[in-house]
Amino acid sequence: QVELQESGPGLVKPSETLSLTCTVSGGSFTGSHWSWIRQSPGKGLEWIGYIHYTGVTNDNPSLQSRLTMSVDTSKNQFSLKLRSVTAADTAVYYCARRGWSSSLDYWGRGILVTASS
Amino acid sequence: EIVLTQSPGTLSLSPGERATLSCRASQSVTSSYLAWYQQKPGQAPRLLIYGASTRAPGIPDRFSGSGSGTDFTLTISRLEPEDFAVYYCQQYGTSPNTFGQGTKLEIK
Repeated sequence: QVELQESGPGLVKPSETLSLTCTVSGGSFTGSHWSWIRQSPGKGLEWIGYIHYTGVTNDNPSLQSRLTMSVDTSKNQFSLKLRSVTAADTAVYYCARRGWSSSLDYWGRGILVTASS
Repeated sequence: EIVLTQSPGTLSLSPGERATLSCRASQSVTSSYLAWYQQKPGQAPRLLIYGASTRAPGIPDRFSGSGSGTDFTLTISRLEPEDFAVYYCQQYGTSPNTFGQGTKLEIK
């Protein structure tokens, strides 16, 4: 059973950088793609992007200029950094595994990040 | 980017009834790379269907998916109380991957 857990600050000031880490347990970390998705309060889901365990990424052009994803295979972790946040970046951030079918088969519980001074 | 439009926005039905949810894409979805997810309040989405019609492990057979190209359907043959939730479709064949805006299935 694959389990994912998001961690990071729940509050970020506008113009600063949002940083989150997802820790994976169970299953195989290498050989998979690892994804980020967010959901603004009361809204639908927005795909942020994914990273392969080799470090190759595929991300949403709407966020690309502010986004960095990285992976640490020694810790079974992958991370997200989103620069210059505004109130519009307030959301629940989920990490998930892009499984062998390329759909998102395992999800973390999500972490609420609020961009506010 | 491929825009997914789900209908209806809200569907009011009773337990035991049949639910039909629609997902229409603005352009053809590559290789039927279309998934359906269920989300309950305060929970992460759960994968129900991938490849347009394949049930994910552990998903009851009352859930079925169909469609290809630009038109896809999720059918719940006989609603159970635990099925009332929000349902999202997602295409993952073309980047950026995109989600529909969701259909809320509520108890009538």
